[in-house]
Amino acid sequence: DTEVTQTPKHLVMGMTNKKSLKCEQHMGHRAMYWYKQKAKKPPELMFVYSYEKLSINESVPSRFSPECPNSSLLNLHLHALQPEDSALYLCASSQQLAGPHHMLFFGSGTQLSVL
Amino acid sequence: GDSVTQMEGPVTLSEEAFLTINCTYTATGYPSLFWYVQYPGEGLQLLLKATKADDKGSNKGFEATYRKETTSFHLEKGSVQVSDSAVYFCALSDGTDKLIFGTGTRLQVFP
Repeated sequence: DTEVTQTPKHLVMGMTNKKSLKCEQHMGHRAMYWYKQKAKKPPELMFVYSYEKLSINESVPSRFSPECPNSSLLNLHLHALQPEDSALYLCASSQQLAGPHHMLFFGSGTQLSVL
Repeated sequence: GDSVTQMEGPVTLSEEAFLTINCTYTATGYPSLFWYVQYPGEGLQLLLKATKADDKGSNKGFEATYRKETTSFHLEKGSVQVSDSAVYFCALSDGTDKLIFGTGTRLQVFP
C-alpha cells in the first residue's frame, strides 16, 4: 500500500463551523505533513509531525489545529476559518524526516471552500 | 536561504514534441533534488530524484541530471503525450525538515 488517503475530498464550511480533515497512511512512514496549496501556486508547508510529535509549525494561525493520534493518522481541525483559507489542503508522509531520501508521498487533497 | 527557480509557464507543445522545463537552485550545502508532478484535481506525485552531483533521475520517459557546476536540474522528455499535461514542480531537500518547491510550470500538450 503506497497511498496516502485524505477525507473528505471536498468540504464547504461557514466561518462559524468546526470541521476536521483526515489523513491516513499505512506505509510505516514516521513523518507526516500538512500543506496548503492555493490555485496556481506551490504547496506551502503548515505542519510537520515526526514520530507523532509536532516538529514544525510554520506560524500557522490557531484556527488550524493539527493532531496526530497515532503513526498512521493525521488530522487537521478547523475552527472559525476565513474565506481566504479556502484552498487545497494536502497531506503527505515520508519514511524519514530529512536527508537524501526525503521523498514525500502526497494524498489527493481536500478542496476546502469557506463561505 | 535555499531556493528553487523554475521557468514560467505555461509550456505549450504538440504531441511527440521534445520537452525541457528549466530548474535552477541555490543552496549552501549538497541538496537532493526532485521533480514532482501534479495532475488536475490531484495531489503531487514524485516523478524522479537525484541525490548527488551528476546523478541522473529517470521515470516514465522523463529525465533530469543534477548539474552542480550550473546548479541546475532541468526536466526533459523526448516525446510528450497529451497525458503528460500537468503542473511540474522542481524541489530541493537541504537536509532540514523542509522540502523547498519552485513555483511550478504548467505543461499543456495538444494532439
